[in-house]
Amino acid sequence: ETGVTQTPRHLVMGMTNKKSLKCEQHLGHNAMYWYKQSAKKPLELMFVYSLEERVENNSVPSRFSPECPNSSHLFLHLHTLQPEDSALYLCASSQDVGAGANVLTFGAGSRLTVL
Amino acid sequence: GQNIDQPTEMTATEGAIVQINCTYQTSGFNGLFWYQQHAGEAPTFLSYNVLDGLEEKGRFSSFLSRSKGYSYLLLKELQMKDSASYLCAVRDSNYQLIWGAGTKLIIKP
Repeated sequence: ETGVTQTPRHLVMGMTNKKSLKCEQHLGHNAMYWYKQSAKKPLELMFVYSLEERVENNSVPSRFSPECPNSSHLFLHLHTLQPEDSALYLCASSQDVGAGANVLTFGAGSRLTVL
Repeated sequence: GQNIDQPTEMTATEGAIVQINCTYQTSGFNGLFWYQQHAGEAPTFLSYNVLDGLEEKGRFSSFLSRSKGYSYLLLKELQMKDSASYLCAVRDSNYQLIWGAGTKLIIKP
């Protein structure tokens, strides 16, 4: 399998549930990202990892908890979410961060609905 | 603040040409990107401009004017499969990507 794979593709959860989103990249990239995509809004960068170390956390609420066990895998753990957290969550990877982050390769996203 | 503006939605006819504009105000500039995103799919890279001028890649071309803070994506010989959202993004002086909200392009037969 090649590219960036995200699972699950669709997730419905209640506000008291705990769930996780998974992302896997097979490109040998060093950097991985979580983005939130809401309708008619720009992509919002949530977290950036470089070589398994978190290098950016854009004031994301603590109900979102990222985990990067190795450079190929990235998780987003979700707990006590709010309805306004319903969105498409995109994972992406790039060769490196900063000046080395030329092109992002995205996964197809996990569509999250919070009831 | 930093801002990227692009039209929310455009409609064009199959076989025609369409130009999608993107204007930006950012803290510095280290390149401009265009991505295509079909509904329910991953955004995919289309083009990258860092110097002024036109970059052509098949039916798609991208233009940049740094002095005007302006870019456009030109799609020729439109096909139904070109119906998608087109995302403009600028890399600022800190190499952070600033994204536009995307332009939804609808192609009619």
